[in-house]
Order: sequence, then C-alpha cells, then structure tokens
Amino acid sequence: EPEVTQTPSHQVTQMGQEVILRCVPISNHLYFYWYRQILGQKVEFLVSFYNNEISEKSEIFDDQFSVERPDGSNFTLKIRSTKLEDSAMYFCASSELRGLYEQYFGPGTRLTVT
Amino acid sequence: KNQVEQSPQSLIILEGKNCTLQCNYTVSPFSNLRWYKQDTGRGPVSLTIMTFSENTKSNGRYTATLDADTKQSSLHITASQLSDSASYICVVSALGGSYIPTFGRGTSLIVHP
Repeated sequence: EPEVTQTPSHQVTQMGQEVILRCVPISNHLYFYWYRQILGQKVEFLVSFYNNEISEKSEIFDDQFSVERPDGSNFTLKIRSTKLEDSAMYFCASSELRGLYEQYFGPGTRLTVT
Repeated sequence: KNQVEQSPQSLIILEGKNCTLQCNYTVSPFSNLRWYKQDTGRGPVSLTIMTFSENTKSNGRYTATLDADTKQSSLHITASQLSDSASYICVVSALGGSYIPTFGRGTSLIVHP
C-alpha cells in the first residue's frame, strides 16, 4: 500500500541553524501538507501546497518557513533560523485533491532545537 | 474563533468493552468533520470523514455520529481491542475560502486486558 515517507526521523539542530525536512508524498496525490505537533499538544496546520504554490497557510507559517517541491517526488519544509520553540514533531501529509479527500500522514520528523 | 473541544481528555477501559468519545465544535460555516487515530509517535490515521448531510459513518468497529445542529460529534468504539489504545483526534474544517482545519486536543484511550 502506498505511504507517505519522511526523512530524517529525528533531527537535532542548534538554535539559529537552518533545517530542511523532507517528505515523499503518495505518487498520484496533488495536495501536500505540513503539520506540527509540539510535545503533549494538539496537531497544528502549517501549510498546504498545490500546483507548486502555497494553497493555504496558518498564522504559524511565518517568514522563517518555506516549502518547496524541488522535483517530481519530494516535498520539503525549510525552517530558516530555528528557535527553541520550533522543537516539535513535523508531519507531512498528502491527498488526491482537497476538500473531502482523505489525507495520508507520514510517520513524522522529530525536530529538536538546542 | 474556531474551536474544537474533546472529552474526556483520557479514558481507560477493559478489552472487549465499548466506549464513546465526544467532540464539540464552534467552526463555522461547517464543511466536514474527521476523526483520526494517532498511535504514540506516529502520524494520524483517518477513521471517518463526514459532511453536513451525514449523521453516521462507520469504519469497522468505529462509528462516528454528527449532529450539525448542536455541533457535536461522537466516536463509538465497539468491542475494544488492545490495539485501540491511542489518541483519537477530532478535526473540523470550515466551508469557504479557507480550508485550514481546526484540531481538537484528542482523547487518550487506554485499553487494558
């Protein structure tokens, strides 16, 4: 069964450094998403992406964040200058289309900022 | 402000028993409501998706109900299994220009043998 994959599973970085989290969505899906979950808290929507453009973004997704589909398979989230409060689990998801289509989540990347 | 509240925060039941989890929301205008199961350290897995016109939707031993008038949903788990131990998350999306979903904090379910 197709699945969303994410690398790395765990990333440790120092405050102020740039990190890139990588995701490979399901191949025939057109919408891609990033979510984050701070330890012990609820999942929060960051951004959705379609046709090489940001479709929606939340208030959390400020100028330090960017997303990109650098090739036909990868979908990346870049955090330009990490802060301690960026420490969280970051989930990538994909769906065939928007609206009522099921979103499939990856296993997540645990980002630890020290 | 759009909000999703879930109760109880946590629940412990014995294997084989049934349980019901609650979700109240203030998201408006309503588009759809999803229930997810999230195992510890894993990504959420979709259980059900319901729109305004749907009252009930089942997925195996999971049955979700929706009352759009009172803005309440429930997830009923029948004949619980140890593997049902997880967090169950209610997510509501609004209709219109923004499809940004609002997540609840989840109900942590523990099934004991």
